[in-house]
Amino acid sequence: DVKVTQSSRYLVKRTGEKVFLECVQDMDHENMFWYRQDPGLGLRLIYFSYDVKMKEKGDIPEGYSVSREKKERFSLILESASTNQTSMYLCASSFFRQGKINEQFFGPGTRLTVL
Amino acid sequence: GNSVTQMEGPVTLSEEAFLTINCTYTATGYPSLFWYVQYPGEGLQLLLKATKADDKGSNKGFEATYRKETTSFHLEKGSVQVSDSAVYFCALFSGGYNKLIFGAGTRLAVHP
Repeated sequence: DVKVTQSSRYLVKRTGEKVFLECVQDMDHENMFWYRQDPGLGLRLIYFSYDVKMKEKGDIPEGYSVSREKKERFSLILESASTNQTSMYLCASSFFRQGKINEQFFGPGTRLTVL
Repeated sequence: GNSVTQMEGPVTLSEEAFLTINCTYTATGYPSLFWYVQYPGEGLQLLLKATKADDKGSNKGFEATYRKETTSFHLEKGSVQVSDSAVYFCALFSGGYNKLIFGAGTRLAVHP
């Protein structure tokens, strides 16, 4: 069965802390994505990766960085957490097959609160 | 740029009522269109998709037709159940690497 797992369901951090959110997929997918979900705004893409050590900025990359050292793992890093980064963070993955629309599979999300 | 607009929620219905959730899009070319569903406490799941004009996507009793002339992809179900209570997201595929653009989401609450 397809599976995307995220390291925590709930996380509480303090302003200025460095925060790591981990995502692991077991489907050998090339693409991995990090979104944040906020009420009234839907999902917005932060970063994505199409291969190991490769990354591309999404629509709202400011204040975030990512790391992909292994194909199955994609980490989102908040270098210095701020209260406006309180949100639900969703990881997703998909194959990349040229000329095809490849379904994205989502993890359960991490609800991060920054105090 | 590309964008997706959904009707605001919440939508509250009684069991067995007819459901419509409106979705319109702005995009260059002919994007592929999707509906995702998020049940409480879970991530998003693909509900249905359509890849070209006049295609109809369907799954679990839900349907949506890709209407190029009105740039719409409205979600419908003839008879909703309590178990359909969830947040529904309309999305379009934009560009390479399977990047998706999502609407704001519409919360559906179905009461017995």
